[in-house]
Amino acid sequence: KQEVTQIPAALSVPEGENLVLNCSFTDSAIYNLQWFRQDPGKGLTSLLLIQSSQREQTSGRLNASLDKSSGRSTLYIAASQPGDSATYLCAVLYSGGGADGLTFGKGTHLIIQP
Amino acid sequence: GAGVSQSPSNKVTEKGKDVELRCDPISGHTALYWYRQSLGQGLEFLIYFQGNSAPDKSGLPSDRFSAERTGGSVSTLTIQRTQQEDSAVYLCASSQERVETQYFGPGTRLLVL
Repeated sequence: KQEVTQIPAALSVPEGENLVLNCSFTDSAIYNLQWFRQDPGKGLTSLLLIQSSQREQTSGRLNASLDKSSGRSTLYIAASQPGDSATYLCAVLYSGGGADGLTFGKGTHLIIQP
Repeated sequence: GAGVSQSPSNKVTEKGKDVELRCDPISGHTALYWYRQSLGQGLEFLIYFQGNSAPDKSGLPSDRFSAERTGGSVSTLTIQRTQQEDSAVYLCASSQERVETQYFGPGTRLLVL
């Protein structure tokens, strides 16, 4: 079964720290991997998309990496701010005959303490 | 430009009634997706449209669920004879092509009493 796992489930750090969120997936046959954030009661906001042929993507203080062979992705957040507090979701678009849509992890609930 | 919009934003219905949820994708996006987010269940993929066609409907939870897309634009998700377990947030997303970034709407929060 094609799955996505995120560790840790929850994380609380002081403002200003750099942090890493982890995502693992079970099948290396993917089109892409996408990171989202979700604020309470809201929809999903796309942060970064990494295509299968890419190793990393950067946007501002965010950097996402992809290692297909090991089935892992990390989201690095530099100089965290209270406004970064949200749930971060990793999602994979599998190409190996699985679902036609994204397969999501259960998310990492991040709290940045002022 | 305008993002993905969904209506209604909230829907309360009685068990056994039919409901229709609407999604307006970003203009020009050929791919459209429906997902469901339930408490404790995470995000679950339901169905994908390329243009007006849905290649695979096996992600729909039961035969009470159906979806269509017309004119390569608006999509509706219909739930017949609603059950309490259908209560969830239904999210729609669109992308320019299937392997591009998916942009999500704000969702429809469905409560079945």
